[in-house]
Amino acid sequence: DGGITQSPKYLFRKEGQNVTLSCEQNLNHDAMYWYRQDPGQGLRLIYYSQIVNDFQKGDIAEGYSVSREKKESFPLTVTSAQKNPTAFYLCASSDLAQTSWQPQHFGDGTRLSIL
Amino acid sequence: QQPVQSPQAVILREGEDAVINCSSSKALYSVHWYRQKHGEAPVFLMILLKGGEQKGHDKISASFNEKKQQSSLYLTASQLSYSGTYFCCLLSGGYQKVTFGTGTKLQVIP
Repeated sequence: DGGITQSPKYLFRKEGQNVTLSCEQNLNHDAMYWYRQDPGQGLRLIYYSQIVNDFQKGDIAEGYSVSREKKESFPLTVTSAQKNPTAFYLCASSDLAQTSWQPQHFGDGTRLSIL
Repeated sequence: QQPVQSPQAVILREGEDAVINCSSSKALYSVHWYRQKHGEAPVFLMILLKGGEQKGHDKISASFNEKKQQSSLYLTASQLSYSGTYFCCLLSGGYQKVTFGTGTKLQVIP
């Protein structure tokens, strides 16, 4: 079955530590996205990518970094510069059609907490 | 800049109807609606395109008013399974930048 796999499901970060969240998709989608969701809040866009080796900042990119070396993979690194990283992180992907905007398919998310 | 949804929360009895609104300060190209159950990932419901086109999904439909820069989601004869938080998602700009709305928490009770 095609889908998006995020790992790990739960992650704990120590002070001053960088952590990387994995996101892999086998849907052959061009576009991939990372969102942050705080309790009771909506989704805020961190980074997005439409093509390999290219990505754009979203609304809250500070303290985060990404790479897109392969079409299937879009890992997110939460750096020590992100002082309040505790949140639910969602990865999504979508096809890029010429005539309409395709829906996003989401992974099951990673819950990140500070130790 | 985040699209504003109203109401923030609503409680319905099974069989009742509800309308959720999504307003943007930016020009819209198209709108998606998603539903998120507690602790889960959002699930796509429908897409609305320019021209006020309505799309239906079972007893859930939506409209898109490009001129007013808003979209509305209509839930008729609500079912318990409709409970969750509903988000609109807007596409704007030339680089497929997406922005999710503030969310509307809907609870359907027996």
